[in-house]
Amino acid sequence: EAGVAQSPRYKIIEKRQSVAFWCNPISGHATLYWYQQILGQGPKLLIQFQNNGVVDDSQLPKDRFSAERLKGVDSTLKIQPAKLEDSAVYLCASSSGLSSAKNIQYFGAGTRLSVL
Amino acid sequence: GEDVEQSLFLSVREGDSSVINCTYTDSSSTYLYWYKQEPGAGLQLLTYIFSNMDMKQDQRLTVLLNKKDKHLSLRIADTQTGDSAIYFCAETYNQGGKLIFGQGTELSVKP
Repeated sequence: EAGVAQSPRYKIIEKRQSVAFWCNPISGHATLYWYQQILGQGPKLLIQFQNNGVVDDSQLPKDRFSAERLKGVDSTLKIQPAKLEDSAVYLCASSSGLSSAKNIQYFGAGTRLSVL
Repeated sequence: GEDVEQSLFLSVREGDSSVINCTYTDSSSTYLYWYKQEPGAGLQLLTYIFSNMDMKQDQRLTVLLNKKDKHLSLRIADTQTGDSAIYFCAETYNQGGKLIFGQGTELSVKP
């Protein structure tokens, strides 16, 4: 079974520029998550999708961050404009969405963003 | 409130047991997880435990849960150099909900 795919792996931009990240979840997984992991900290949820609907975006800085999952499969996360404090690893995770013990979150390798 | 605390560093000798500790504040947590993160990689799920359990064993891994003290531990038996990584504990209130992570414990295994 293929895992969660993310691209690009690394991105370096200057502040005030825009950037987009892409995530392809595990096939058949209904729930998709974007987490931000700042160096030396644990990941923090930015947004959670159930199919193509948003379940939780309470921690997403909506003035600069946006995310979509139009067809309920792939997702993109965008930052516009980027700030220095956005430097972090952006992790995508997916889960089956079922209410069972198998509803575990599986993570991609992440996209490391450096804002200069 | 939501808060998960871990000690930042642990150093052990190869072959020894490692014990990584975690405390959480929210008594409504229902599921607790241990993830492993190697340099430049994503998070790999090691094991999880439901809040109605006290212990779970999976090969070299033993998870202990003390609900009264809101304390979770991960014991790795016969620690190997390949176990060197950052270990995160995480909690959630329901399967499928967001994970609340600790800041991670960096485990260093010396030969």
